[in-house]
Amino acid sequence: EVQLVESGGGLIQPGGSLRLSCAASGFNFSNYWMHWVRQSPGKGLVWVSHILSDGTNATYADFVKGRFTISRDNAKNTVYLQMNSLSAEDTAVYYCARALADYGENYFDDWGQGTLVTVSS
Amino acid sequence: DIVMTQSPDSLAVSLGERATLNCKSSQSVLYTSNNKSSLAWYQQKPGQPPKLLVYWASTRESGVPDRFSGSGSGTDFTLTISSLQAEDVAVYYCQQYYSIPPDFGQGTRLEIK
Repeated sequence: EVQLVESGGGLIQPGGSLRLSCAASGFNFSNYWMHWVRQSPGKGLVWVSHILSDGTNATYADFVKGRFTISRDNAKNTVYLQMNSLSAEDTAVYYCARALADYGENYFDDWGQGTLVTVSS
Repeated sequence: DIVMTQSPDSLAVSLGERATLNCKSSQSVLYTSNNKSSLAWYQQKPGQPPKLLVYWASTRESGVPDRFSGSGSGTDFTLTISSLQAEDVAVYYCQQYYSIPPDFGQGTRLEIK
């Protein structure tokens, strides 16, 4: 059974940092691109970042560029999101999701349950 | 970036009736390598993560009931629920995965009339 389990969320003050983790199991992790998607309270889904299966390349949404860094450890089947300089606008549930993406299949066929990040003083 | 626009924002349909949700992309998402549109539909119920329903615009994900069907190509797409069930109450999102960023539409909230 495919499982994606996020952790690391919580309450953080503006300007602070958090590192989210997403532990994967039940599939060949190193074959998949991994994505982070966030959802602010009562709002829609917003793509944040992705990293290629071998970790050689990553892309970010403009609103997190220079503040967030995605990485992965294929030996640990885990993808990370380092979030710096957090502001209230970053308050959201953060989901990790996987995509096979070998031949353009960059749709998200499995998602984690999400971890809530609240930025507030 | 490709902008995804869904309509309507909310929809109320009677049980057993057809629901039609629309999605439009600001440019074509046709993947020429397989001549299919890079368009996915997701269902999100309250308190749950999104669930993939349809990919390549019309391919139903395994385990998804056959009352859900996707259609369209190029820039205009539709998700149809042929006979609405109570468990279909949710927010539905379309997403293009033709290019990065793989953005989502704003969602359509589906309710029972």
